[in-house]
Amino acid sequence: DSGVTQTPKHLITATGQRVTLRCSPRSGDLSVYWYQQSLDQGLQFLIQYYNGEERAKGNILERFSAQQFPDLHSELNLSSLELGDSALYFCASSVDGEAYEQYFGPGTRLTVT
Amino acid sequence: DAKTTQPNSMESNEEEPVHLPCNHSTISGTDYIHWYRQLPSQGPEYVIHGLTSNVNNRMASLAIAEDRKSSTLILHRATLRDAAVYYCILRDDYGGSQGNLIFGKGTKLSVKP
Repeated sequence: DSGVTQTPKHLITATGQRVTLRCSPRSGDLSVYWYQQSLDQGLQFLIQYYNGEERAKGNILERFSAQQFPDLHSELNLSSLELGDSALYFCASSVDGEAYEQYFGPGTRLTVT
Repeated sequence: DAKTTQPNSMESNEEEPVHLPCNHSTISGTDYIHWYRQLPSQGPEYVIHGLTSNVNNRMASLAIAEDRKSSTLILHRATLRDAAVYYCILRDDYGGSQGNLIFGKGTKLSVKP
């Protein structure tokens, strides 16, 4: 158990809908990262937050957004969902924004039908 | 971040050592070498990291070539639980690092009883 929690574990929704994925980092970790894992693209970095502020952006679509709240939990919002958004979404946390170790949660499996 | 090359798959016997190679001929002087692994149906898990010297921890050892153009992750006694995809990742961890990881395809390790 990494100490990072993600909810929900599974999510099934229809095209065009909007969903919110939630992540609670390990206690004391200030940085949260979001990654997407699909069969064709592998594991891809989406976005990073550090202590409530956006720190780095990867290949995140404009339809996706994220935020980190004062209690350090983070939410990833996915809107206007398409079939290709079906993937595993992982959240990771680290002590600070440049820590060597990132601790990954169990992931949320999103299926868009 | 520089690119790494790993074999797609490797097989090992239980309780034997495993040497997982990684080539990174374009590594820069400030790139650290990180290894993560992903067990089936789980998020990635930190294994080890290093810069120039060989490193040991409770999970594995990391042997880094003198010219740093290649490295080897060593599992001293493979167990069935070590069956996973192993990712070798380079990241510039000096000043200005953004912290995110860029995953390649990794090496899928199978362990036979």
